[in-house]
Amino acid sequence: EILMTQSPATLSVSPGERVTLSCRASQSVNSKLVWYQHKPGQAPRLLMYGASTRATGVPARFSGSGSGTEFTLTISSLQSEDFAVYYCQQYNNWPQTFGQGTKVEIK
Amino acid sequence: EVQLVESGGGLVQPGGSLRLSCEASGFAFSRYWMSWVRQAPGKGLEWVANINQGGGEKYHVDSVRGRFTVSRDNAKNSLYLQINGLRAEDTAVYYCATTANGYFDHWGQGTLVTVSS
Repeated sequence: EILMTQSPATLSVSPGERVTLSCRASQSVNSKLVWYQHKPGQAPRLLMYGASTRATGVPARFSGSGSGTEFTLTISSLQSEDFAVYYCQQYNNWPQTFGQGTKVEIK
Repeated sequence: EVQLVESGGGLVQPGGSLRLSCEASGFAFSRYWMSWVRQAPGKGLEWVANINQGGGEKYHVDSVRGRFTVSRDNAKNSLYLQINGLRAEDTAVYYCATTANGYFDHWGQGTLVTVSS
């Protein structure tokens, strides 16, 4: 089973700041990596698939990069609605596995 | 608009059973793989099970195999998860999700399963 490790666990930021979240896989997952946004009491939302392709309706301030074992999700200018927990997930190997999440909170 | 609405969660004693349901609307349900994903309190997300379009191909995570069974009824646009032999560690919010190539593109809001005596 591939272990996904996200860092940091919590990120305290101010609106308007640039945010970079990291996700590392224990072995190569090629580009089969997705990012989700999850707010309390809501359904998780797919943000990015194939490491760098935005899902339908996702604002352009979100971007993803990386391949192999190192991936990043960048939010160019954090908006109030972006405060949430972000999860990465690999789908290169069975079973698909998630990182433990990065909480983006208001500073 | 894709809608997934889970139901069937609740408080159950260890060793008990539940049947979770997920009613789908707004898309061609019978064309999609579907999955269950759970989140234990204070923990991250964990894939639990998935099922192909016709229901003949099913997969379960090792920790639930033999206790949980995923199924579907395309005539009713519904996905199910039969949960037997519940353990404290099965306490979680259970989400259903459409599944594309191994990831989850639409999710429901979840149903809470609490296992406690």
